[in-house]
Amino acid sequence: GQQLNQSPQSMFIQEGEDVSMNCTSSSIFNTWLWYKQEPGEGPVLLIALYKAGELTSNGRLTAQFGITRKDSFLNISASIPSDVGIYFCAGQRTTTLTNDYKLSFGAGTTVTVRA
Amino acid sequence: NAGVTQTPKFQVLKTGQSMTLQCAQDMNHNSMYWYRQDPGMGLRLIYYSASEGTTDKGEVPNGYNVSRLNKREFSLRLESAAPSQTSVYFCASSYRSGRAPGDEQFFGPGTRLTVL
Repeated sequence: GQQLNQSPQSMFIQEGEDVSMNCTSSSIFNTWLWYKQEPGEGPVLLIALYKAGELTSNGRLTAQFGITRKDSFLNISASIPSDVGIYFCAGQRTTTLTNDYKLSFGAGTTVTVRA
Repeated sequence: NAGVTQTPKFQVLKTGQSMTLQCAQDMNHNSMYWYRQDPGMGLRLIYYSASEGTTDKGEVPNGYNVSRLNKREFSLRLESAAPSQTSVYFCASSYRSGRAPGDEQFFGPGTRLTVL
């Protein structure tokens, strides 16, 4: 699978701040997913995006599927302490030959909130 | 409804030892996956099973084997463990092979493996 370029690698944020992270790829994806992983746990799906240009919210989280289909953005508004964790982007590109599901993951953005 | 469960949660092996990581899901999902997670690398697909009775290699299959025992269970075996296989291993499942919205993957809590 192709690795996605996710940035920033880490961030320290002040409680109450809005933050953004993004993911880019040299290839087109049909679906973009954003996961959050807390210490000692597996990734949990936050938001799924299926159409270029789509903007989807889940509480204080907003994610967008880039128009070029090669990028996606995640915004967290009004950060709180429980936002701590690692956020992963993932892209899915169904192949025309096998129709199999392949997810490519970014390396993650580690978020630490200063109280 | 436990979702995706994995055993064991932690394991320490010596180089050359073998072991099997177990994964089970109770969501009636057709597809199951094994990933490894290493610092700064994100998650990389080891093997997957699109449906019961089928398995295919992912990005990093060398040194691993898998068995789709039935619809619920998908195991990962290390025949001769090496220090390079020290990692956190995640099992995931999805309803189908990603052909439509709603086929998102759900992850288990992980197995933390150290090979000395």
